[in-house]
Parts: sequence; structure tokens; C-alpha cells
Amino acid sequence: TQLLEQSPQFLSIQEGENLTVYCNSSSVFSSLQWYRQEPGEGPVLLVTVVTGGEVKKLKRLTFQFGDARKDSSLHITAAQPGDTGLYLCAGGRGSSNTGKLIFGQGTTLQVKP
Amino acid sequence: DAGVIQSPRHEVTEMGQEVTLRCKPISGHNSLFWYRQTMMRGLELLIYFNNNVPIDDSGMPEDRFSAKMPNASFSTLKIQPSEPRDSAVYFCASSYTASRIAKNIQYFGAGTRLSVL
Repeated sequence: TQLLEQSPQFLSIQEGENLTVYCNSSSVFSSLQWYRQEPGEGPVLLVTVVTGGEVKKLKRLTFQFGDARKDSSLHITAAQPGDTGLYLCAGGRGSSNTGKLIFGQGTTLQVKP
Repeated sequence: DAGVIQSPRHEVTEMGQEVTLRCKPISGHNSLFWYRQTMMRGLELLIYFNNNVPIDDSGMPEDRFSAKMPNASFSTLKIQPSEPRDSAVYFCASSYTASRIAKNIQYFGAGTRLSVL
């Protein structure tokens, strides 16, 4: 069962454009993380959000956690070719003390120069 | 710290052969996760350990797959016998879950690309 749905699955844009990636679920999560994966490498954590309505900014990237802690979005302003990669959202359940995460299926982003 | 170390980086084998993938987690981390990634199914959790004990192996595809964690610094994922449909990238990740703040942040290795011919 896929508990986290990401959209879109694929996105190809020109350098300088803005974009938003969505991560939705019917379940509540205690935390929501975004990872980026480059070809030939493992996913690397970008940000963790834990409070409903929380907004975090990382340079040109803005992350938001939904008020009900069921969804999240990643907005990139003025995308650059270096932003190309696979973006994964992952939800954590506070009841588990083992660190297990539920991953979305990912959004593949290509930024063309 | 060197991060999570996986070996080999690439493995090519023939159907029916045994394959063993290795993982060294980050020192001090107490949870270890094995994932499989394919284009069709994305990143799938196979099994995870907490304090060297397997907690949930419901993601293991079938009995051909097995995983062990004999100590805090080493884990293996074994496929015997291997089949072409096992071809994928296998990732190991570790995390430190004793701290509420650090909980759930996973650090991934670079993966093992497995091709079963």
C-alpha cells in the first residue's frame, strides 16, 4: 500500500522556471522529510518538518508541512540545472522508536539549461 | 565519518547464483534499513533492524532473500538463488533513534547495482 503519493512523477523545465512538487497522504505523520537523490548515489536529506503548518526555506527551496500533517510541498524558485535529480518525500510515525520511514515514489526533475 | 559504506558498488551475476550485499552503518547508529529501488516500484523497504534485532521483514519479497546483522557495525543481505527480476539498486541506510530530535533521519549508502543475467 502506497501511503504517500507524490505529484508530478516527472517534470522537465527550463532553467529559471519555478516549480512545486506535492506529497499527499490520508495518514497523519509526526514528521515529514524531503530527500534528493542524484544518479549513482543514495538519497540525501534536505529538510525535516515536524509541526503542522511549518514552513522551512533552504536557499531557493521552500518546504511546507500541511496543517493536518498529512501533506507537504516543495517549491523551487528559479530552478537551476544543479537542481536536477529525484526528489523523495518520506513520513515518520512518532509511535515507532525505530526510525522507520514511509517513502513516496519520487518526483524526477530535469532542469534544462 | 565515512558515512554508510556498501559493497560491492556493482554486481553482475547469473541466474541461480548466490549474491551477498554488505553494509557498514555509521558508527553509533542503532537502526539499519535495507531498501530496493527500481524504476517501476520506486524505493521499497525490505527489512530493518533496531539494536541489531530484525524488527520488520514484511518487505522481503520471498524466502530467497535473507538479512543478518551480527553486530552493530555490519549487515548483509543475501539472495539465494538470484533471479533476473531481482535486478535493482539495493540501498542500506542507518539512523540514530535514541534522540527524539535525530529520530527518523536516515543516512544512505551509495547503493549496490545488481544485475542478474
